[in-house]
Amino acid sequence: QVTLKESGPGILQPSQTLSLTCTFSGFSLSTYGMGVGWIRQPSGKGLEWLANIWWDDDKYYNPSLKNRLTISKDTSNNQAFLKITNVDTADTATYYCARIAENWEGWYFDFWGPGTMVTVSS
Amino acid sequence: DIQLTQSPASLSASPDEIVTITCQASQDIGSSLLWYQQKPGKSPQLLIYSATILADGVPSRFSGSRSGTQYSLKISRLQVEDIGTYYCLQVSSSLTFGSGTKLEIK
Repeated sequence: QVTLKESGPGILQPSQTLSLTCTFSGFSLSTYGMGVGWIRQPSGKGLEWLANIWWDDDKYYNPSLKNRLTISKDTSNNQAFLKITNVDTADTATYYCARIAENWEGWYFDFWGPGTMVTVSS
Repeated sequence: DIQLTQSPASLSASPDEIVTITCQASQDIGSSLLWYQQKPGKSPQLLIYSATILADGVPSRFSGSRSGTQYSLKISRLQVEDIGTYYCLQVSSSLTFGSGTKLEIK
């Protein structure tokens, strides 16, 4: 059974660094073809992809945010991480992590965590 | 960057009606398109991947198709439980989501 759960600070101040953790079970990020992605959603708005990390440590970032994002993983502890530097109120959103699965027909986010709400406020 | 133009932004339909949502890609993305359903207060759920392949456990009334750079999600017989917001996502290059279609039941 695949599960993922995000955790974060809840609230932080502008200019701080946001650190998010995705703790998962039911798969391994050392398995060929597996990955984890981060996606966010401001309240009442659409989805925005942030970053992906793959089993072989390949990393991909949203170009519009790339300078502020760092994705990483801890395979031994079944966790993935995302850091966003220099946050402002526009970063207020629910942050999701999702498993990436790949087969010969393509790849996709198949399982998602419930999301963690992050508010940036002074 | 690849843009996805999703339409309509919202729609209201009656049970058993056929519903179609479209996404127009700004350039060729092949079959690298996914469809998600998001119910209020919940995480998105995968419906379709590789433009036309039904994800595991998804009812067969959902289907995906492609014509060039236009992609469609069809719900063949709308059910009350299908309410929510639907998003397309291109995974060809630097992922982008469509703007979403909010589906309501009449």
